[in-house]
Amino acid sequence: GIQVEQSPPDLILQEGANSTLRCNFSDSVNNLQWFHQNPWGQLINLFYIPSGTKQNGRLSATTVATERYSLLYISSSQTTDSGVYFCAVWNAGNMLTFGGGTRLMVKP
Amino acid sequence: GAGVSQSPSNKVTEKGKDVELRCDPISGHTALYWYRQSLGQGLEFLIYFQGNSAPDKSGLPSDRFSAERTGGSVSTLTIQRTQQEDSAVYLCASSLGIYNEQFFGPGTRLTVL
Repeated sequence: GIQVEQSPPDLILQEGANSTLRCNFSDSVNNLQWFHQNPWGQLINLFYIPSGTKQNGRLSATTVATERYSLLYISSSQTTDSGVYFCAVWNAGNMLTFGGGTRLMVKP
Repeated sequence: GAGVSQSPSNKVTEKGKDVELRCDPISGHTALYWYRQSLGQGLEFLIYFQGNSAPDKSGLPSDRFSAERTGGSVSTLTIQRTQQEDSAVYLCASSLGIYNEQFFGPGTRLTVL
């Protein structure tokens, strides 16, 4: 099956800093989603982005499907950004395959 | 509108007992998915419904796990003769259709003693 790798696995930022999270996948995908899992475990949809670039406030994402990667940019990070960020892809089949996540801690 | 809801939010059970977990998808979503997240791990796909049928049951970890969906809406995941390794957060998601954006519920945290 498709492999999804996220980097870095852990990231510590000072409040106000910017960061880039990466998601590599091993095969072509039909779609891709980015999620933020908050400390209470809820998965929050950030982006649905099979290709191209999208922006939502301080967050933006870019997927280059032909090169099999996606990037999530967080600017001016806040403590509420802390949590785990997951990339998930649709490949053959009927489910999302998740990466291992990037655990982000933003310190005040 | 209302999001995906799941009940119970927490379930503690004894080894060997059966449990039922419920998922109410977003109204109008024809596709429904169950995933499992073990402590500190990523999400593992369990089963998928399109309408009331489950064309892909390959993710169910054993024959102790079963799921059904009725009326194209509510789904129940049943675990028979629970084992300690079944302890995890069980997450449900729904989408308008295949390949559409999936939206997740808050999950049910299952603890098997």
